[in-house]
Amino acid sequence: KNEVEQSPQNLTAQEGEFITINCSYSVGISALHWLQQHPGGGIVSLFMLSSGKKKHGRLIATINIQEKHSSLHITASHPRDSAVYICAAVEDTDKLIFGTGTRLQVFP
Amino acid sequence: NAGVTQTPKFQVLKTGQSMTLQCAQDMNHEYMSWYRQDPGMGLRLIHYSVGAGITDQGEVPNGYNVSRSTTEDFPLRLLSAAPSQTSVYFCASSYWTGIGSYEQYFGPGTRLTVT
Repeated sequence: KNEVEQSPQNLTAQEGEFITINCSYSVGISALHWLQQHPGGGIVSLFMLSSGKKKHGRLIATINIQEKHSSLHITASHPRDSAVYICAAVEDTDKLIFGTGTRLQVFP
Repeated sequence: NAGVTQTPKFQVLKTGQSMTLQCAQDMNHEYMSWYRQDPGMGLRLIHYSVGAGITDQGEVPNGYNVSRSTTEDFPLRLLSAAPSQTSVYFCASSYWTGIGSYEQYFGPGTRLTVT
């Protein structure tokens, strides 16, 4: 069974800092999904990637298939980035294995 | 588009009661799924459906039933609620845009407490 681990579990930052959240998985996957869960509980999909790098605004996601590792970077962090960031390994069709999330707090 | 809607948002049940969590999507997605989220654990798949009339079990299906009579609706039934089913439940719909690529949308969640 695929094990998905995220680090760190909790992260605090000052506004403007560069943030990195890591995700590793144990078994080969077809894709890696990054999601954001707002303090109110809503979950939003950020990225789905199977290779290389994707960028959306200040968010960058990378994946290294050989090392079974993905990172989510936030440049110029802002308090509104405060949320729980979740990665999920996409094994097949609709079968996702979720990490436990990284709670990020960005202070002004 | 309303996206994925879930009702109710909050629910308190007594042990042994039954209820149905409703989920609907208006994006014509084939894939729908139910997850539960518990403190300290990742989202866990309860049941999923790859299309109307087709459902399958996920990682933690015990105590739950689903059906998919239409593309839009995917209700989750708790047969006899237990305190271990206290959780936040998320419904999601998704579609594959290509090999290794899909889009997934989550409902707002239902917070269920079983006493």
